[in-house]
Amino acid sequence: DVKVTQSSRYLVKRTGEKVFLECVQDMDHENMFWYRQDPGLGLRLIYFSYDVKMKEKGDIPEGYSVSREKKERFSLILESASTNQTSMYLCASSLVLGDYGYTFGSGTRLTVV
Amino acid sequence: ILNVEQSPQSLHVQEGDSTNFTCSFPSSNFYALHWYRWETAKSPEALFVMTLNGDEKKKGRISATLNTKEGYSYLYIKGSQPEDSATYLCAPHGGGFKTIFGAGTRLFVKA
Repeated sequence: DVKVTQSSRYLVKRTGEKVFLECVQDMDHENMFWYRQDPGLGLRLIYFSYDVKMKEKGDIPEGYSVSREKKERFSLILESASTNQTSMYLCASSLVLGDYGYTFGSGTRLTVV
Repeated sequence: ILNVEQSPQSLHVQEGDSTNFTCSFPSSNFYALHWYRWETAKSPEALFVMTLNGDEKKKGRISATLNTKEGYSYLYIKGSQPEDSATYLCAPHGGGFKTIFGAGTRLFVKA
């Protein structure tokens, strides 16, 4: 059974902390993505990566960075967490996006206090 | 593809009712449309990938149609069951890495 695994289901962090959200996929997919989901809004793309060490900004990259040192792992980093980054974060991977769509992780609900 | 609208935002039905929701999107620069089901505390799960105008896809009691010329897709659920309760997301894809998600339709099915 193919999987995208996010390291934490729930996280509570303090304002100003550096936060790491980890995502691992076992499908050998080139493409990996980080989204956030907020009530009343669609999933919004933060960053994506189409290869190891490659990264591209999505629609809302401010306040975030990413790291992809290995094909199977894509990390989202909040350099200095703020309360407006309280959200559900979803990691996804894809083989050929338009043809196959995404395989999602189960999400990390981050609360910044 | 910039604006994706899903309606209604939420829907409450009784077990056994049939229901449908709409996804509207700009018809220009269309490559494919994906439907996902997202149950609480689980990962969004792919339901359908649709590419051709007039496409109809079916999976059990759930089916979907696609009209790329006018820019809409319908998702139908026949004989809703409590386990169908979820958020249904549509995601038109315009090629490359550009997928825009709608805000979803939240379905509640009461036993």
